[in-house]
Amino acid sequence: DSGVTQTPKHLITATGQRVTLRCSPRSGDLSVYWYQQSLDQGLQFLIQYYNGEERAKGNILERFSAQQFPDLHSELNLSSLELGDSALYFCASSSTVSSGNTIYFGEGSWLTVV
Amino acid sequence: GENVEQHPSTLSVQEGDSAVIKCTYSDSASNYFPWYKQELGKGPQLIIDIRSNVGEKKDQRIAVTLNKTAKHFSLHITETQPEDSAVYFCAASRENYKLSFGAGTTVTVRA
Repeated sequence: DSGVTQTPKHLITATGQRVTLRCSPRSGDLSVYWYQQSLDQGLQFLIQYYNGEERAKGNILERFSAQQFPDLHSELNLSSLELGDSALYFCASSSTVSSGNTIYFGEGSWLTVV
Repeated sequence: GENVEQHPSTLSVQEGDSAVIKCTYSDSASNYFPWYKQELGKGPQLIIDIRSNVGEKKDQRIAVTLNKTAKHFSLHITETQPEDSAVYFCAASRENYKLSFGAGTTVTVRA
């Protein structure tokens, strides 16, 4: 158990809908990352938050947004869903932004868009 | 940005033999190189990492080597066991912490 908690574990929704994925980082970790894993794209970095502020942005679509709350949990919002958004979404956390700290991954939220 | 290439994409080994996975990276400023193991239905789990000031690191049956000049690093698993069967990912990052992952290697250990 990495200590990173993600909910829901599985989610099936229709195209055009909006979903929210939730992540609780490991106790004390200030940095939260979101990654998308699909069969054809591998593990793709979406966005990073550090202590409530956006730190880095990857290939995140405009239809997607995220935030980190004062209690350090984070949410990833996916809207106007398309079939191609079906993927595993991972949250990860680490203790600081400095180089080399270990990043721990949660078990993922499996999103299926039908 | 950083580009990480990983080979091979699949690897089948006999139990007890060694497995080697190789990765190359493009950003010479990258200084942190972790390896993750992902089992079916689970999240990536860190198994070993190496920093750019170290050339080799070993943890029981797992070792990682880094060649900064050539910009490549490798994972070595010795005395493979059936529970080593999984997908392995290499990754690289610089100080801003965004991990760039390789495409993954599916390792199958034959009993």
